[in-house]
Amino acid sequence: QLQLQESGPGLVKPSETLSLTCTVSGGSISSSSYYWVWIRQPPGKGLEWIGYIYYSGNTYYNPSLKSRVTISVDTSKNQFSLKLTSVTAADTALYYCARYFTPTAVFDSWGQGTLVTVTS
Amino acid sequence: QSALTQPASVSGSPGQSITISCTGTSSDVGSYNLVSWYQHYPGKAPKFMIYEVTKRPSGVSNRFSGSKSGNTASLTISGLQAEDEADYYCCSYVGSNTWVFGGGTKLTVL
Repeated sequence: QLQLQESGPGLVKPSETLSLTCTVSGGSISSSSYYWVWIRQPPGKGLEWIGYIYYSGNTYYNPSLKSRVTISVDTSKNQFSLKLTSVTAADTALYYCARYFTPTAVFDSWGQGTLVTVTS
Repeated sequence: QSALTQPASVSGSPGQSITISCTGTSSDVGSYNLVSWYQHYPGKAPKFMIYEVTKRPSGVSNRFSGSKSGNTASLTISGLQAEDEADYYCCSYVGSNTWVFGGGTKLTVL
């Protein structure tokens, strides 16, 4: 059964870079039918799609975050990562990694999420 | 892109039916039959309940159904059960490999 696990610092200072990694187990990140996704949920708010990456490295980002976001993939480690630069308090959120299944256009598997707080 | 609009909360008694709306625009919900719905228990991983507007994955109760009219998609839960109490999110394709979620709806089973 596929499992996704987010990891990274829970606290980040304003203006610094948020870095998270998602480790995929129980399946290959190099499968052709999937994209690998980052989604976040600020406290008390809804979900926000950040972007996704194909195993070949093709990336697509939310236009509102595009200038600050980089998603990368390491197929040798079955991991993908998120970097968000110049963070502010508005970037405080529960960050989820997930899998997008292209044939049905759905986010079909999610991690439990990791809380990142931006604070000095 | 702006978040899809959902009611903040809905409620119903066991056995009743409820409908959660998800309103977008002609650029997202209205243009694509790529609306999905997610059930989220706080502290747990979200779970998809409906995809491509009306399709239900195996393992999801047939009490859950989806529909769309114009720029508004809807999730209907019939025969409400206590276990249905959760947050529900809609999501739509926006084009150019980008996606938008709704603000979420808290379902309370009275």
